[in-house]
Amino acid sequence: AQKVTQAQTEISVVEKEDVTLDCVYETRDTTYYLFWYKQPPSGELVFLIRRNSFDEQNEISGRYSWNFQKSTSSFNFTITASQVVDSAVYFCALSEVGSSYKLIFGSGTRLLVRP
Amino acid sequence: GAVVSQHPSRVICKSGTSVKIECRSLDFQATTMFWYRQFPKQSLMLMATSNEGSKATYEQGVEKDKFLINHASLTLSTLTVTSAHPEDSSFYICSASTGGQLAFFGQGTRLTVV
Repeated sequence: AQKVTQAQTEISVVEKEDVTLDCVYETRDTTYYLFWYKQPPSGELVFLIRRNSFDEQNEISGRYSWNFQKSTSSFNFTITASQVVDSAVYFCALSEVGSSYKLIFGSGTRLLVRP
Repeated sequence: GAVVSQHPSRVICKSGTSVKIECRSLDFQATTMFWYRQFPKQSLMLMATSNEGSKATYEQGVEKDKFLINHASLTLSTLTVTSAHPEDSSFYICSASTGGQLAFFGQGTRLTVV
């Protein structure tokens, strides 16, 4: 069965600190996709990244970076030099090829960046 | 990226009435649309998957007679919450896919049943 675990319910940091959001997944498929979404207070889901299971290269996009480790089934997300505007709930999600690409979401991590 | 428009963004209805939520893909044809529900401070849970022209596939525990899904065209899917009750108050969000591995989300609808 597929499952996504975000063990950190809430994280509070001071602006400019680096913060890492953890994501651990379970799947029996060899082909799957992993995602991160940001959900600000307005509710919409902002797509951040998609990574397929065959691509373990880490990725950096501005202040964001992602570390994909198949050996530990983890797909962690780091925000460098956090800003107040980063405050939101962040969801990690998994989709399996055999299930019409529907998303299985983790429980989310609420990030609060204090000035 | 592709645009998915969801309407209305907020709705308040009386208990016992029905509410229809629309999800439109504006610049692409969506062969598959997904409906998710999110209770306050919780994660998003998939309710159903709908493919154009066929019946929706509901997740376990979701009442198909209460949450009616219609996907009559490649650009429109609707979710109707029938005989809504306060416990149906939630954030409903749709996503649309062309069949590839990326689905695009609508803005969500916050439903309050009073």
